[in-house]
Amino acid sequence: NAGVTQTPKFRVLKTGQSMTLLCAQDMNHEYMYWYRQDPGMGLRLIHYSVGEGTTAKGEVPDGYNVSRLKKQNFLLGLESAAPSQTSVYFCASSQSPSTGELFFGEGSRLTVL
Amino acid sequence: GNSVTQMEGPVTLSEEAFLTINCTYTATGYPSLFWYVQYPGEGLQLLLKATKADDKGSNKGFEATYRKETTSFHLEKGSVQVSDSAVYFCALENSGGGADGLTFGKGTHLIIQP
Repeated sequence: NAGVTQTPKFRVLKTGQSMTLLCAQDMNHEYMYWYRQDPGMGLRLIHYSVGEGTTAKGEVPDGYNVSRLKKQNFLLGLESAAPSQTSVYFCASSQSPSTGELFFGEGSRLTVL
Repeated sequence: GNSVTQMEGPVTLSEEAFLTINCTYTATGYPSLFWYVQYPGEGLQLLLKATKADDKGSNKGFEATYRKETTSFHLEKGSVQVSDSAVYFCALENSGGGADGLTFGKGTHLIIQP
């Protein structure tokens, strides 16, 4: 039972480099989310998607882009990484948001030097 | 906008002690409320939830009651174990019916000593 899988799990970037985080879920969920987790800040929503081909901005979208070309995948891109984007990134999915149950991946730790 | 306030800790207790982690919220209307738990090196997982006022959510010996009057959802457990050591997040459903995710508190780090 894979659930929600994030790749890569760890990455170190230099300022200005670009990268993409991949989130894949095998539960046929419609809704997918990208959060970042920072010490003393909890989890903050970056972008989310309510279905294939859709994306929407969350609380902290600046500096990130996302795509949901396939239902099972939700990609988070950093076009020009900044040290302020050093964080742990979590992807989550949900079939029915009214239940409030989000299924989370194990996280991707990104360091920007 | 929505917000969730909880003690950050760390909260350190001895095994078999009584646990309370306070959570208060600010939101429009009466959103569903949740507690999530994050064990070391893992993602968050749902611990319990309550969908309306006076509801009590419970799971694995943990309980929380939705208090509309005090806008609170405090987490309690009568006798904690070392295996309960984790970070606990209080959260509420956003106004878009949850489609736009949940608003989380900053998390409370709980350490249980043998």
